[in-house]
Amino acid sequence: AQSVTQLGSHVSVSEGALVLLRCNYSSSVPPYLFWYVQYPNQGLQLLLKYTSAATLVKGINGFEAEFKKSETSFHLTKPSAHMSDAAEYFCAVSDSGGGADGLTFGKGTHLIIQP
Amino acid sequence: DSGVTQTPKHLITATGQRVTLRCSPRSGDLSVYWYQQSLDQGLQFLIQYYNGEERAKGNILERFSAQQFPDLHSELNLSSLELGDSALYFCASSRGQSYNEQFFGPGTRLTVL
Repeated sequence: AQSVTQLGSHVSVSEGALVLLRCNYSSSVPPYLFWYVQYPNQGLQLLLKYTSAATLVKGINGFEAEFKKSETSFHLTKPSAHMSDAAEYFCAVSDSGGGADGLTFGKGTHLIIQP
Repeated sequence: DSGVTQTPKHLITATGQRVTLRCSPRSGDLSVYWYQQSLDQGLQFLIQYYNGEERAKGNILERFSAQQFPDLHSELNLSSLELGDSALYFCASSRGQSYNEQFFGPGTRLTVL
């Protein structure tokens, strides 16, 4: 069974500082990995996805993530935080093993941006 | 705006009742997924339909059921409601069956009193 662990339910950074949100996955087959963002009272928006092409994936709003098979990680980074980045971030995995294609989500990380 | 619509936005009902949540996927998307988001369980995959057929099942309770109609909209039926069913229910859609980006709707907030 696949699973996702997001380290840190809350992460606080200063505006302009590096953002690093951690995600480790467990999957029995090569996974497809996703980062979604959820703003208050809204649905989830896809930031980026890894689908076995390049290991460094660039997404929207200046975010990127690196797939590291040896560490089973897919951490999300952004060089310089902006106040508008404050939101809930979810890492998700899909392996479509056995035909199931629903995403398995981590518990989320709440990103707080300090002025 | 993802292009996925969900109605209603909010629903308040009593224990033991039955409700229906509706989802219209993005134009051209054939897959519809239902997810439940609660404080206790986080975001959980419930069920997927592809072009009218059930494709995958997640942690969906027997009291819950879904269907996808010929026009590709989907409905999630929740019956014998319990307090613990209070949650945000999201619908997502994607173009194909697998490995496709899923676009999420704004959700329906269900409150069971």
